Amino acid sequence: DGGITQSPKYLFRKEGQNVTLSCEQNLNHDAMYWYRQDPGQGLRLIYYSQIVNDFQKGDIAEGYSVSREKKESFPLTVTSAQKNPTAFYLCASRRGDVEMEAFFGQGTRLTVV
Amino acid sequence: GQQLNQSPQSMFIQEGEDVSMNCTSSSIFNTWLWYKQDPGEGPVLLIALYKAGELTSNGRLTAQFGITRKDSFLNISASIPSDVGIYFCAGQGIGSSNTGKLIFGQGTTLQVKP
Repeated sequence: DGGITQSPKYLFRKEGQNVTLSCEQNLNHDAMYWYRQDPGQGLRLIYYSQIVNDFQKGDIAEGYSVSREKKESFPLTVTSAQKNPTAFYLCASRRGDVEMEAFFGQGTRLTVV
Repeated sequence: GQQLNQSPQSMFIQEGEDVSMNCTSSSIFNTWLWYKQDPGEGPVLLIALYKAGELTSNGRLTAQFGITRKDSFLNISASIPSDVGIYFCAGQGIGSSNTGKLIFGQGTTLQVKP
């Protein structure tokens, strides 16, 4: 089945540790996105990538890093520099700039203690 | 930067009632998307709009791309309990700096009383 897979569903980390969230898609989509969602809030754009080996900062990129070495994969690292990392993280992909529909994974809930 | 303002923030309605929510942007958009999110899940696409004035339906859902290209609305007719969730608008602005940049509104939380 084609889709977007985020893993793990739940993640716990100690404060000060870096953590990497996985996002894989087999839809052959060019563009991929990472969003952060806090309780009662909308989706805020962290990073996005329109093509392999290229990515752009979104509105809240500070404290995060990404890579896009393969078309299928767009991992997000939450670094110790992120002041408030506990949140629900959502990955999305879309075919490209012509077809705008983005499809989401199931999300990763990160809790930093 | 671009901003999307979605209203109302929340709605509590009786089953069978119609619902309307809207989204406005600070700049012109070339695409409007509407999503629904269930608790703890990723958003699911409901309707995509590409042309100013476009009116599109998906079952009991109807959405329109505003003529000014700065707004969109979503209507749900004859609401049922499974309509409960958070509804988001999303879009992409025009201009090279916005290419590929898909942003979201704050969401409208819908609760339906049986």
